[in-house]
Amino acid sequence: DQQVKQNSPSLSVQEGRISILNCDYTNSMFDYFLWYKKYPAEGPTFLISISSIKDKNEDGRFTVFLNKSAKHLSLHIVPSQPGDSAVYFCAASEGPWRGSGTYKYIFGTGTRLKVLA
Amino acid sequence: SAVISQKPSRDICQRGTSLTIQCQVDSQVTMMFWYRQQPGQSLTLIATANQGSEATYESGFVIDKFPISRPNLTFSTLTVSNMSPEDSSIYLCSASGDYYEQYFGPGTRLTVT
Repeated sequence: DQQVKQNSPSLSVQEGRISILNCDYTNSMFDYFLWYKKYPAEGPTFLISISSIKDKNEDGRFTVFLNKSAKHLSLHIVPSQPGDSAVYFCAASEGPWRGSGTYKYIFGTGTRLKVLA
Repeated sequence: SAVISQKPSRDICQRGTSLTIQCQVDSQVTMMFWYRQQPGQSLTLIATANQGSEATYESGFVIDKFPISRPNLTFSTLTVSNMSPEDSSIYLCSASGDYYEQYFGPGTRLTVT
């Protein structure tokens, strides 16, 4: 059972326009969410995070929105650049694992973004 | 953010052999994690490694197949034992950041023939 889903396997956007990547989850206990970008032959690069006490978090061109009632989050990239072309993963966690302060994440299936010049 | 390195970056191994992957973090971290990404798939957590105790494995992964060591707060190894072609994957280690984020190494691309 896939608890974290990215229903769009791919997305193409024109350079300069907005890219919107979506992520849905089924576990209402998820409270912490991360977005990663992954280039081929590299490890995932952390982009931005959000916890359930907020519904929006911004970092430069990247904004993440969380709709907890809909169990949905989205990553907005504005403006999109050709260097943003990569696979994007969302990840979700219930919170500190066994009181350790460490978070275990479940990852979505990824969306391949292509930004056209 | 933690900077993580992995060795080897890639390897081609024969069926039935074992490979040990090393992961080094540039700062002390409590927990390190090992993931697998099979071709065209998402990242799947194999186990969580805490220094000084046995690793905790996720469902579907066992210590005999994926033994893990965590000798100190900056280093861990994952061994893929008795390999078969189905073990061909990218293996990634990660470590927790200051809050709830995680940072990943560059990965080890394993091909089993």
